[in-house]
Amino acid sequence: EDQVTQSPEALRLQEGESSSLNCSYTVSGLRGLFWYRQDPGKGPEFLFTLYSAGEEKEKERLKATLTKKESFLHITAPKPEDSATYLCAVQAQGNNRLAFGKGNQVVVIP
Amino acid sequence: DSGVTQTPKHLITATGQRVTLRCSPRSGDLSVYWYQQSLDQGLQFLIHYYNGEERAKGNILERFSAQQFPDLHSELNLSSLELGDSALYFCASSVSSGTNTGELFFGEGSRLTVL
Repeated sequence: EDQVTQSPEALRLQEGESSSLNCSYTVSGLRGLFWYRQDPGKGPEFLFTLYSAGEEKEKERLKATLTKKESFLHITAPKPEDSATYLCAVQAQGNNRLAFGKGNQVVVIP
Repeated sequence: DSGVTQTPKHLITATGQRVTLRCSPRSGDLSVYWYQQSLDQGLQFLIHYYNGEERAKGNILERFSAQQFPDLHSELNLSSLELGDSALYFCASSVSSGTNTGELFFGEGSRLTVL
């Protein structure tokens, strides 16, 4: 069974204090690894898809990287508006569903 | 705004009752996915429909059923409700058939409270 473990569960950052979120996964043949952002009371919003080890994607202050066993979401010089829960999900080869982790809850303090 | 519409946004009901959650996917999207989100379990995949046909089932209880109609909207039916069914239920849509899921667009969810 595909498994996704995210750490830390919760993180408080000062504005401008860069940090990284970890997503460890086990999957029988990775088709893709996905990062989503979820704000309170809202549905998850797509951020990135990574397909192979070594791949990197960037969007504003966020950068996602992928190895064969884990993915990192780096938040550079975060702002309060980056406060959210970040969800990691994997899709296995031949499978048409995403398996999600429980999320990293990030709070950025001004 | 993702373009995915879910109704109702909030629902409070009693144990043993039955409810129906509705989802309208983004225009042009043929795939609809249902997920359940609870505090302790995170997002759990329930079921996937593509163009009216069921494509995959996840951790969906026998008391739950779903369907996708010719106009592509989908309904999730939850019956004989129990306290543990209280959760956020999300619908997501994508243009693909599911072999390459790509980006899922999520609605804002239906919050179900069973008392």
